[in-house]
Amino acid sequence: GAVVSQHPSRVICKSGTSVKIECRSLDFQATTMFWYRQFPKKSLMLMATSNEGSKATYEQGVEKDKFLINHASLTLSTLTVTSAHPEDSSFYICSARDSLTAYEQYFGPGTRLTVT
Amino acid sequence: AQSVSQHNHHVILSEAASLELGCNYSYGGTVNLFWYVQYPGQHLQLLLKYFSGDPLVKGIKGFEAEFIKSKFSFNLRKPSVQWSDTAEYFCAVQPGGYNKLIFGAGTRLAVHP
Repeated sequence: GAVVSQHPSRVICKSGTSVKIECRSLDFQATTMFWYRQFPKKSLMLMATSNEGSKATYEQGVEKDKFLINHASLTLSTLTVTSAHPEDSSFYICSARDSLTAYEQYFGPGTRLTVT
Repeated sequence: AQSVSQHNHHVILSEAASLELGCNYSYGGTVNLFWYVQYPGQHLQLLLKYFSGDPLVKGIKGFEAEFIKSKFSFNLRKPSVQWSDTAEYFCAVQPGGYNKLIFGAGTRLAVHP
C-alpha cells in the first residue's frame, strides 16, 4: 500500500525555537496533505489542509502564523512550529491523499514534539 | 457542528469473544465513512471504508462494519477477536464534498489471551 513518512520521529527543542516536521508520500503523488495533532488519550484534531502550490487552509482556532505549512511539491509538505512553547508539545501526524484515488488518506507514523 | 461519537472508550475482551464498537455521526448530508486502527507504536491504518452501495462492508483481518443511514451509525464488528487485535480504533467521517476527515475519540481495545 501507499507509504507516508515523517521526519523526524521525535524531536526535543527549547522554548522559543522553531521546529520543522517533514511529511513525504513515498510512492504516490499527493496534491493534498493534512496535518493533525493528537493529544494523549484523545482523537486526532485536524489542524490544516495543505494543497500543493497554494496556501494551506487552517481549521478554526489554529494559528496560521504559529504553524507554518508549506506544500512545495506533490510529495512533500512541511509543518514548522514557530516560537515553540511547552503547550505545543504533542504528537503531530500527517496524512496524504492519493491524487488518483481521491478519497483515501494514508497516514504517516507521527512526530513526537517535546518543548522544554 | 459536525461530530463523531464513539461510545466505548475502553473495551476489554477475551480471545474469541465477539466485538462491536459503536460509531455515530452528526451530519445530514452524504458522507464517506472509515474505520482506522492504530496498533501500539504504529501509525494509523485503514481497516475499511464505505462510500456507497452495500451498507455492509468488509475490511481487513475479518472486520466488518454496517452503515445504517437512519441511525447515522457505522458500527464496527468482528465475530471472534484475537490477542493481535489489541489496538486503538478510530471511526472517521468525511462529509460529502470535503477533503477532511472528522475523527471520533477512539476506542482502546485490549484482548486478553
